[in-house]
Amino acid sequence: GAGVSQSPSNKVTEKGKDVELRCDPISGHTALYWYRQSLGQGLEFLIYFQGNSAPDKSGLPSDRFSAERTGGSVSTLTIQRTQQEDSAVYLCASSPRTGDPYEQYFGPGTRLTVT
Amino acid sequence: AQSVTQLDSHVSVSEGTPVLLRCNYSSSYSPSLFWYVQHPNKGLQLLLKYTSAATLVKGINGFEAEFKKSETSFHLTKPSAHMSDAAEYFCVVSDPYSGGGADGLTFGKGTHLIIQP
Repeated sequence: GAGVSQSPSNKVTEKGKDVELRCDPISGHTALYWYRQSLGQGLEFLIYFQGNSAPDKSGLPSDRFSAERTGGSVSTLTIQRTQQEDSAVYLCASSPRTGDPYEQYFGPGTRLTVT
Repeated sequence: AQSVTQLDSHVSVSEGTPVLLRCNYSSSYSPSLFWYVQHPNKGLQLLLKYTSAATLVKGINGFEAEFKKSETSFHLTKPSAHMSDAAEYFCVVSDPYSGGGADGLTFGKGTHLIIQP
């Protein structure tokens, strides 16, 4: 079946502009995660949605970052007033949160470049 | 709290020789462990996972990993490297009871595997 999809695959923006990154999880997956992967770094957790519960925003690096998940499906990560240090690959993952252990399924990522 | 340490940031091997990517973890409980692979410009793909059913876990593409509780290790191996194995590899520990933000998942910083022809 279809996997996790993300759009756009690449985004170049000027410093100070706002950007929106989209994630379409696997149908039926209740959990959705956003990560940031900077050059030479591992994965940095950003935010986690589970069903209708309030999202876990503990990983968001600043108040310029926000995310929402509409209808328990599609999610949008918004970065306001982008800075050059925001340049990274943004990965989305979803999970059915069943089985032991929970497995996360990753999308291909959005490469964000802030000039 | 849990943590994952991938002992090598880069590993270089010749095609046809064995691969060893090292991972050590710490966890308060009996964790589950994963290895993910990320090819250039691709998302992360699950290679294998340890769920306490068997200490030697076989994954895709000829990879396997052995869980050694006494050494708190989960090293990834492959008998014979192929050029297509060149990628970034991440060791991940999962403990839903840890309360971690990523639903209990903690990622290592990754090991870049280079295959020499």
